[in-house]
Amino acid sequence: NAGVTQTPKFRVLKTGQSMTLLCAQDMNHEYMYWYRQDPGMGLRLIHYSVGEGTTAKGEVPDGYNVSRLKKQNFLLGLESAAPSQTSVYFCASMPDRPLGEQYFGPGTRLTVT
Amino acid sequence: DAKTTQPPSMDCAEGRAANLPCNHSTISGNEYVYWYRQIHSQGPQYIIHGLKNNETNEMASLIITEDRKSSTLILPHATLRDTAVYYCIVRYTDKLIFGTGTRLQVFP
Repeated sequence: NAGVTQTPKFRVLKTGQSMTLLCAQDMNHEYMYWYRQDPGMGLRLIHYSVGEGTTAKGEVPDGYNVSRLKKQNFLLGLESAAPSQTSVYFCASMPDRPLGEQYFGPGTRLTVT
Repeated sequence: DAKTTQPPSMDCAEGRAANLPCNHSTISGNEYVYWYRQIHSQGPQYIIHGLKNNETNEMASLIITEDRKSSTLILPHATLRDTAVYYCIVRYTDKLIFGTGTRLQVFP
């Protein structure tokens, strides 16, 4: 049982490049989330999903897209990376029960130059 | 979701109790209080949550005032490994809204 895993762990992009971050969970959780964390700040919610095939916007969705084609995977895409998207990205999942706890992945450190 | 206010930083001696306060004066009746912590730059870790009553688990205790406008997370015997940023979150929906938390430094 690996919990929540994120791929890759580190990435450096040039401005304008695109990439996809993969989050996978093996706990059969319904809910999945993408957050970003800038230095000295708390986590901010980008997008989330309440089940396979569904997605919804969080606090800071601009510049990102997501897909949840399989229950166990939640992909975060950057179509045209900008330096302002330099951050640490965390994925989380949560079981389908009222107000359950979220389980977080180890994070992906992204630098856009 | 209601907002929370936490002190930016606190110190605690190893072996002593760490009491981390949180103000959530605008909390509504069906919002829970959650605590998470983030050690170094790892993903946040769930600690405890509660609605009205005090709660205790193997990690910590949560004391919620009778009017529910504030709460305190208690780590009964802090260790160096408890050095982390602690986030207090009030939550009703399926989303967590993080603030900037309290940076707890446990010293020998």
